[in-house]
Amino acid sequence: AQSVTQPDIHITVSEGASLELRCNYSYGATPYLFWYVQSPGQGLQLLLKYFSGDTLVQGIKGFEAEFKRSQSSFNLRKPSVHWSDAAEYFCAVGGQGAQKLVFGQGTRLTINP
Amino acid sequence: NAGVTQTPKFQVLKTGQSMTLQCAQDMNHEYMSWYRQDPGMGLRLIHYSVGAGITDQGEVPNGYNVSRSTTEDFPLRLLSAAPSQTSVYFCASRVGPEAFFGQGTRLTVV
Repeated sequence: AQSVTQPDIHITVSEGASLELRCNYSYGATPYLFWYVQSPGQGLQLLLKYFSGDTLVQGIKGFEAEFKRSQSSFNLRKPSVHWSDAAEYFCAVGGQGAQKLVFGQGTRLTINP
Repeated sequence: NAGVTQTPKFQVLKTGQSMTLQCAQDMNHEYMSWYRQDPGMGLRLIHYSVGAGITDQGEVPNGYNVSRSTTEDFPLRLLSAAPSQTSVYFCASRVGPEAFFGQGTRLTVV
């Protein structure tokens, strides 16, 4: 069965520090992988996606993620966080013919000034 | 280009009441879906549609009905609201595997 695990429910980092949010997936076919961000009271905004090709993908707001097939991971990174990055982040997996996206539980990011 | 539009943004219902959450998209996407978001559980699929006149159940369909009479609209109906249906509801439309989400409807059932 397909699943997504985000091991960290809540992460706190200082402004200007680097960030890595973890995502592990289980999917029986070629996965399409996504990271979404949800600011408080808002909908989900797509940060980046991986379909194929270069395993390091760049997204909006200075985020990047690396697909590692051998580890079934798709971790999200940012070299230097800003206070405006405080939000909840969701990893999701799907496929071209899949009927649904499967989401992880989410990681809430808090930024210390 | 409005994308995916959900109404209302907020709603309070009494137990047993019924209501319809509206969802419209202007991207001509065939695939639309409804998710609910609960703390610590991510988003779970309620119902989905692969085109006008075709709907199917997702992971958590009980207590909800959907219909798809046009490509643009995909309303979600709560038949008899229960406190367990207190949640944030998201509508999404898809092209291929990529989903586009509405802003959500925060529903409280008292």
